[in-house]
Amino acid sequence: QSALTQPPSASGSPGQSVTISCTGTSSDVGGYKFVSWYQQRPGRAPKLMIFEVSKRPSGVPDRFSGSKSGNTASLTVSGLQAEDEADYYCSSYAGNSNLLFGGGTRLTVL
Amino acid sequence: EVQLLESGGGLVQPGGSLRLSCAASGFTSASYAMGWVRQAPGKGLEWVSTINKSGGETYYVDSVKGRFAISRDNSKNTLYLQMDSLRAEDTAVYYCAKDCDEGVLTTEFDSWGQGTLVTVSS
Repeated sequence: QSALTQPPSASGSPGQSVTISCTGTSSDVGGYKFVSWYQQRPGRAPKLMIFEVSKRPSGVPDRFSGSKSGNTASLTVSGLQAEDEADYYCSSYAGNSNLLFGGGTRLTVL
Repeated sequence: EVQLLESGGGLVQPGGSLRLSCAASGFTSASYAMGWVRQAPGKGLEWVSTINKSGGETYYVDSVKGRFAISRDNSKNTLYLQMDSLRAEDTAVYYCAKDCDEGVLTTEFDSWGQGTLVTVSS
């Protein structure tokens, strides 16, 4: 199974909105509700930002939202803040308890 | 507060073995599936293995099948990853992680350890 496809980079100015896509297949993203997004700052462990496509864990700002259409999931960060600058990874259940990650997107706040 | 603390990483020669441990605290670890995720230097995340809450079901990425073994000791709140026949491409930071959902294996991880570095080199 191949990794999910994410754009390598994304950027936006403070206050703007940015959307990061994550494209898979009907065997992973399109077939299951277990699609997640993780934020990773340099030298730090990943942090869960979105689970089950669009749910936010406690403590994650509502500026972060997730959605899915067909085989593509999306993470939208609204009202960009400097602290949002990080790498973002999507993941999806891929059947037989296997998990796929995307290649990661580096978000830059201009 | 959920805490996951990995240990056991280090430098090993190709073909060698290492056993990673992950000590869990702050939650009833026996109620959750757990997993290992690795990140090669400068690269993205790669799922390695998952184990269900009882330890009776284990799953692996194809590249480590037959070489790695995940296990857990719920009496010690500890997760393990036995890594044999190590290769240079196994060099990575290895994170242990806790599944989101109590009792169900979702492969979504809501808590992560700080990671332990495994370097495979001669």
